[in-house]
Amino acid sequence: NAGVTQTPKFRILKIGQSMTLQCTQDMNHNYMYWYRQDPGMGLKLIYYSVGAGITDKGEVPNGYNVSRSTTEDFPLRLELAAPSQTSVYFCASSQESRDEQYFGPGTRLTVT
Amino acid sequence: AQSVTQLGSHVSVSEGALVLLRCNYSSSVPPYLFWYVQYPNQGLQLLLKYTSAATLVKGINGFEAEFKKSETSFHLTKPSAHMSDAAEYFCAVRSGGYQKVTFGTGTKLQVIP
Repeated sequence: NAGVTQTPKFRILKIGQSMTLQCTQDMNHNYMYWYRQDPGMGLKLIYYSVGAGITDKGEVPNGYNVSRSTTEDFPLRLELAAPSQTSVYFCASSQESRDEQYFGPGTRLTVT
Repeated sequence: AQSVTQLGSHVSVSEGALVLLRCNYSSSVPPYLFWYVQYPNQGLQLLLKYTSAATLVKGINGFEAEFKKSETSFHLTKPSAHMSDAAEYFCAVRSGGYQKVTFGTGTKLQVIP
């Protein structure tokens, strides 16, 4: 039982490039989330999903896109990378919204 | 609306001393409340969770938190700090009717030998 896995662990992008951050969970959880963490700012919700085929925006969705074609996978897409997207990105999952969230190890992204 | 405020972005305690990390929440309905811990270069892990079953909640690693409705608080305590407690701690709230959890900005705990 691997829990929540994220790839890659680190990535450096040039301005304007695109990339996909991968997230997979093996707990058959309904809910999945993408957060970004910036120093002193806590976690900000980017997008979340309540089940396969259903996604919704969080607090800071601009510049990102998501899809949820399966229960297990919830990739996050950056289309035109900007320096403001330099951050640590965490994926998480939970069975229901009131339940504990299980977090992946994070992806550290630098845009230069 | 729901929100959470953590007082003190940095807290330092001596090894063996009491740990007290403060969290106040805002919620129009009885909330679910969480404390998570984040060690360097890792994701968050659940310490404990309040779900209205009991106002004093015990978690892992000797931590506990007390839900005080009158004060809208959910402070985290540990009687005796260990060096291994050095980490960042996040309080989070989820109100009824919301599908999302709101996290506080975190408190970094430093334990001085």
